[in-house]
Amino acid sequence: KAGVTQTPRYLIKTRGQQVTLSCSPISGHRSVSWYQQTPGQGLQFLFEYFSETQRNKGNFPGRFSGRQFSNSRSEMNVSTLELGDSALYLCASSSTEPDTQYFGPGTRLTVL
Amino acid sequence: AQKVTQAQTEISVVEKEDVTLDCVYETRDTTYYLFWYKQPPSGELVFLIRRNSFDEQNEISGRYSWNFQKSTSSFNFTITASQVVDSAVYFCALSEESTGNNRLAFGKGNQVVVIP
Repeated sequence: KAGVTQTPRYLIKTRGQQVTLSCSPISGHRSVSWYQQTPGQGLQFLFEYFSETQRNKGNFPGRFSGRQFSNSRSEMNVSTLELGDSALYLCASSSTEPDTQYFGPGTRLTVL
Repeated sequence: AQKVTQAQTEISVVEKEDVTLDCVYETRDTTYYLFWYKQPPSGELVFLIRRNSFDEQNEISGRYSWNFQKSTSSFNFTITASQVVDSAVYFCALSEESTGNNRLAFGKGNQVVVIP
């Protein structure tokens, strides 16, 4: 099976812009979770989607949002970008709950 | 409060030495899951192992072994006879039934450098 894929792999944006990241889970996996990784805060949970519904949400401002489509693909959106949003954004998928999450290669976002 | 603590930030070892990474976790749940992931320089998190709170059996997989002790809330990871390819950041993570089984709380990670 193909692994989790994320597009794009790299992004450069300026403050105030918005950005959309995409994640395609492993075939058959219905749960998609997003994580932000920064040198200062480490790996932090953003949210989880299951069957097109947000099932869990981390402690991030409302500028961070997501959605999941009927084919389980997921997108996350960050509006009004801030310098502190520069990070590696990782997507993970799993087939059921509880189950092991498998991660994609990440999208590295740089905000200038 | 930090739920997963990995005390050592960077560990350097000479090739073929053993290295042990400590992980201490904190939870009030009786049902929880513990994980170890490896993050090579490419950035992708690679799954290594998962343990549930009811299974304290230790595990060995090739040069990797894990020691799970509920009495001390620890889930330590040992690499035996380290190789240069083991150089990476290793993360310990916890998920709890009460906060969502797919919500991972990660430790800060251990940077392992294997010197040839």
